[in-house]
Order: sequence, then structure tokens, then C-alpha cells
Amino acid sequence: DIQMTQSPSSLSASVGDRVTITCQASQDISNYLNWYQQKPGKAPKLLIYDASNLETGVPSRFSGSGSGTDFTFTISSLQPEDIATYYCQQSDNVPPTFGQGTRLEIK
Amino acid sequence: QVQLQESGPGLVKPSETLSLTCTVSGGSISGYYWSWIRQPAGKGLEWIGRIYTSGSTNCNPSLKSRVTLSVATSRKQFSLNLSSVTAADTAVYYCARDRGGIQLNWGQGTLVSVSS
Repeated sequence: DIQMTQSPSSLSASVGDRVTITCQASQDISNYLNWYQQKPGKAPKLLIYDASNLETGVPSRFSGSGSGTDFTFTISSLQPEDIATYYCQQSDNVPPTFGQGTRLEIK
Repeated sequence: QVQLQESGPGLVKPSETLSLTCTVSGGSISGYYWSWIRQPAGKGLEWIGRIYTSGSTNCNPSLKSRVTLSVATSRKQFSLNLSSVTAADTAVYYCARDRGGIQLNWGQGTLVSVSS
């Protein structure tokens, strides 16, 4: 299985801050990298697919980049409603595998 | 907008079979893969497997010997059976619509506890 490593595991930031999360794959996955947001007690929600494509209806403050083994997820200006855990996931190989998650909190 | 809803027992005894069904509404079940993912309390996400509407399946090798997936297109439902469960199978189970491994839409999840 492809191992996905996210960092940091937790992050505290202020409203309006730029927030960045990184995800590293254990092998080349091209651009088959997706980002999900999970709020407490809720199901995950797809935000970005294929590394940099914003899912329909997702605010433009969310973005993603990268290819190969190294990927970045960015929130350009943190909003209170962005408090959640964020997961990366590779969809290059079966089984699709997830990072361990990054818990984002407001300072 | 496609919606998914999991259903099934919330409590299963050790060594028995966990059975869940996902009902799809608001869109066609045809032409997509349909997945199961689980999440133990306070932990990360584990992909269990997926089924295409033709019946073709892929499963996580770590669970493959215990997983059976099925689909009933006329009822717009797909199902998961996980046999020989232990306490380690206690988790929230999600169903999802899958496109190329991307989980496009998720059900709300259902908690299944394994306990005698």
C-alpha cells in the first residue's frame, strides 16, 4: 500500500491567517491526490481532487498543488467555519489510502 | 445532488457478520463505483472496498478475506458484509460514491459496535 504522511498533525492559527498542510506519498502518485475536510461528528467532504482541482461549490480560499510525491493544501485566509480535520488521500493505486489527518484549530 | 444513507445494526457480536446497506437517492446508481470506508473513534480513515454497478469489486487486501460486496441496482442499494468481526472492527462506517478512487459524496455514517 502507498503510505501518505501529513504534517503537521495539528495546527493552531488565527482568523485571516494563511494555513498550509503538506502531504507526502511513499511513491510517485502523479497528481492523484485528493483533500477532504471533516468537521466533528460529520462525514468527510471532498474539497480538492487531482491535486489542484477545486470541487464544485468549494470556496476559492482553498487550493492545492503538487505532483509526484509532495503536495500542499492551502487556506488563503482562515475562516471560523474552517475548523476541522483535513485528510489527504491518494487515488493512484488500490487501495486508496489516507493521511493520518491534520487537526486545525482557531487560536 | 446525490445522497447516500447507511443502514444496519448498530451492535454486532464478536465472530458474527456485520451487514450494512447504503441507499442512493437523487441520482443514478449506474456508471459509478460505490465504496465503503470506516473510521474508528478518534482515528483516521480506512478504505474497505468498492463495487461497480456491473458487480466488479476491489477490496483492501487487509480485509479482503472477510469482505463481501453486493449491489442491487433496481433498488439503488449496495451492501457490505464483514465476517468474523472483532472489537477492532468497531467504527463509524461510511458509504460513498467513488470516481477513480475519489470519494465524491459520502453518507452521514453509521456507528457499528462489536460487543457481546
